[in-house]
Amino acid sequence: QQPVQSPQAVILREGEDAVINCSSSKALYSVHWYRQKHGEAPIFLMILLKGGEQKGHDKISASFNEKKQQSSLYLTASQLSYSGTYFCGTEIGYGGATNKLIFGTGTLLAVQP
Amino acid sequence: GAGVSQSPRYKVAKRGQDVALRCDPISGHVSLFWYQQALGQGPEFLTYFQNEAQLDKSGLPSDRFFAERPEGSVSTLKIQRTQQEDSAVYLCASSQREGTYEQYFGPGTRLTVT
Repeated sequence: QQPVQSPQAVILREGEDAVINCSSSKALYSVHWYRQKHGEAPIFLMILLKGGEQKGHDKISASFNEKKQQSSLYLTASQLSYSGTYFCGTEIGYGGATNKLIFGTGTLLAVQP
Repeated sequence: GAGVSQSPRYKVAKRGQDVALRCDPISGHVSLFWYQQALGQGPEFLTYFQNEAQLDKSGLPSDRFFAERPEGSVSTLKIQRTQQEDSAVYLCASSQREGTYEQYFGPGTRLTVT
């Protein structure tokens, strides 16, 4: 039931781009993306609702393909501050909000100068 | 404004002891969530409150775990007769309304059971 994220880890140089994928075996109502630095609380990035929408702010954007039960997070022109572990949180269901997030396996992103 | 706060930040308990972990959500937030996060893993859902009502406790691992939010604001997660496998970071999150909205996480309580 836990969504699978890929890659497990990625190392970037400042300015490079990255894509993080989140794949579920269950039908999804929404996908939430969070970034967590070591020893800190997860920080909310964005929510995508079913309907195949895309969202973005600054240089971080995401897409949600409900038919494939997948979401992708796009990081462009990466900055040192982007380093951390990225988690997708999936809300499983067809009909509406359940408020219960199942988090993915995580992707460790390290941005080097 | 103030974010979600949790106390204590660190707790060491001997196996068999009872512990109580406190969460102060953002003022006015209706929804409150508890998660358990093992080292190197993502948060795992434990339970969810809407105001004072516990609407989902499907993630509580055993009947040793109990959560309450009696007045719809502060919440306490209680673990009775702690076991070594209970060692983890316990995260609390709150959300402004019921439904699919962003959850704001607290810093967590790191519980170590010896």
